[in-house]
Amino acid sequence: DADVTQTPRNRITKTGKRIMLECSQTKGHDRMYWYRQDPGLGLRLIYYSFDVKDINKGEISDGYSVSRQAQAKFSLSLESAIPNQTALYFCATRSDGDTQYFGPGTRLTVL
Amino acid sequence: GQQVMQIPQYQHVQEGEDFTTYCNSSTTLSNIQWYKQRPGGHPVFLIQLVKSGEVKKQKRLTFQFGEAKKNSSLHITATQTTDVGTYFCAGYTGNQFYFGTGTSLTVIP
Repeated sequence: DADVTQTPRNRITKTGKRIMLECSQTKGHDRMYWYRQDPGLGLRLIYYSFDVKDINKGEISDGYSVSRQAQAKFSLSLESAIPNQTALYFCATRSDGDTQYFGPGTRLTVL
Repeated sequence: GQQVMQIPQYQHVQEGEDFTTYCNSSTTLSNIQWYKQRPGGHPVFLIQLVKSGEVKKQKRLTFQFGEAKKNSSLHITATQTTDVGTYFCAGYTGNQFYFGTGTSLTVIP
């Protein structure tokens, strides 16, 4: 859905570099999520936010940080990227009781 | 910790055959959602089940939520090539969604 956008769509970086992935939404949803997808492991929750400045850890938050400075934006940072963070990253938004709407994904490769 | 197991991981069927994927949670869920992800795409919502024992149908797709709200299934009748993709369940508990590992469906024409 164009209502949820992610930038960049693809990124190749080196071990130790700082990386930021951006997510923006025009759906007016208060809840936003960051997931990573690895083959055979499904989607795993990294962080989620129910409102501006509200941050909650998911299953696999180690090595990641997030920022929710505005309702429409939720960014994910890798302070010092490592190869096992190579994955497909999805942002999702949701209103209470509603479905999740996923962005198109960011394919990150850490060399 | 919370886990949602999903089987099978892969399923190859001839076009016209039926297909079923199963999810099982280690704890009771508030609700469960199902998503479909086409190759190279992102997960797209199919349905949400909330009530114990709930059954919902969407054309050839039938979704069930177990009586204990710990398991769920998706059944596709008479598969078509357009059904190709990976199907995920996502159980909601403790303010989080826990995704199953997905079932990748291949339909052979």
